Amino acid sequence: GESVGLHLPTLSVQEGDNSIINCAYSNSASDYFIWYKQESGKGPQFIIDIRSNMDKRQGQRVTVLLNKTVKHLSLQIAATQPGDSAVYFCAGESGGSYIPTFGRGTSLIVHP
Amino acid sequence: DSGVTQTPKHLITATGQRVTLRCSPRSGDLSVYWYQQSLDQGLQFLIQYYNGEERAKGNILERFSAQQFPDLHSELNLSSLELGDSALYFCASTPDGFYGYTFGSGTRLTVV
Repeated sequence: GESVGLHLPTLSVQEGDNSIINCAYSNSASDYFIWYKQESGKGPQFIIDIRSNMDKRQGQRVTVLLNKTVKHLSLQIAATQPGDSAVYFCAGESGGSYIPTFGRGTSLIVHP
Repeated sequence: DSGVTQTPKHLITATGQRVTLRCSPRSGDLSVYWYQQSLDQGLQFLIQYYNGEERAKGNILERFSAQQFPDLHSELNLSSLELGDSALYFCASTPDGFYGYTFGSGTRLTVV
């Protein structure tokens, strides 16, 4: 089955810096990946997704990079703001299951 | 407000008891998913319903059951509760059972 995990449980950055959150997955058949943001007391919120036929996708201040060779993806947040403080999850889907498997999460702490 | 409504927000109950968690999906969404989030296991998929029918089942215990009603709201029933069932339970919905997850704010269950 799919196994998705994040590299670091906590990432601390200064306001204005760029943040990079990493994630590894185990199933080479995984073909769709999603990043979620979970703020305290709320449910996960969709940030950005990427399909396996792409290497990079950009959103507003966020970029997801996918390296299928080493089964790794990353979420880059530009000019990190205090409002970006949250737990970030990567999730992967494979084989047309349409049920994402979530990693454990990385807590991003942004210091003003 | 994500449009997915979960009630109650908090629930405290004793071991051995039974509780029901309720979820109203976002307007127009036909599919509902239940997830359990605990500190040591991350977000675990429990079960999915689509238009009243069970579509996929994950790591759901036999003590747990769910259903989706004709008005598309869903209920998750947890019985013979154990201390280890203490967790956040999230409901998510999608329009068609494929992409576009929207999560509710969750129900925090504490078993004492």
